[in-house]
Amino acid sequence: AQSVAQPEDQVNVAEGNPLTVKCTYSVSGNPYLFWYVQYPNRGLQFLLKYITGDNLVKGSYGFEAEFNKSQTSFHLKKPSALVSDSALYFCAVRPSLYNFNKFYFGSGTKLNVKP
Amino acid sequence: EAGVAQSPRYKIIEKRQSVAFWCNPISGHATLYWYQQILGQGPKLLIQFQNNGVVDDSQLPKDRFSAERLKGVDSTLKIQPAKLEDSAVYLCASSSGTSGSGQETQYFGPGTRLLVL
Repeated sequence: AQSVAQPEDQVNVAEGNPLTVKCTYSVSGNPYLFWYVQYPNRGLQFLLKYITGDNLVKGSYGFEAEFNKSQTSFHLKKPSALVSDSALYFCAVRPSLYNFNKFYFGSGTKLNVKP
Repeated sequence: EAGVAQSPRYKIIEKRQSVAFWCNPISGHATLYWYQQILGQGPKLLIQFQNNGVVDDSQLPKDRFSAERLKGVDSTLKIQPAKLEDSAVYLCASSSGTSGSGQETQYFGPGTRLLVL
């Protein structure tokens, strides 16, 4: 079965410090991996994706994510957190086999950046 | 380019009433999705359209939920009759999806927040 896990319900970090939001997955075939951010009362906003190639992908607002095939992980990172980064973050995976373009989402991680 | 549009943004109804949500995807996007997001959870796919055909509706409670995309553009999701547990945010998303490669990014609308009393 396809699944995505975000092991931390909440991550707290001080402004200016690096942040990491974790994501692991279990899918058939090579995965396509995505990160989305959701602000209160808003829809999900695309941050970045990994399709193939370089394991480190860069996205919007200074975020980046590292694909690790052996650990089946796709952790979201940012070198220096901002208070405005506080939001709900979702990891999503799209298996390369079976139903095309069906996404599986993690349960979300709430990021709190404190001044 | 214009994003995914949804209406209404908020809806409050009583249980056993009916409700409908509307979605207009990004122009040219062939694939349209409806998700249900319950507070504290990730989005759950309800139905996926490719143009005006249904690709996946395996998690749609068909006894009360229905959706259509008659002309392959905008879509309507209906709940009839509503239950208390239907209180959630209903998100619409679209992707170009024409190649079927799965690399296409999904873009989300702002969602409709439904409260069933």
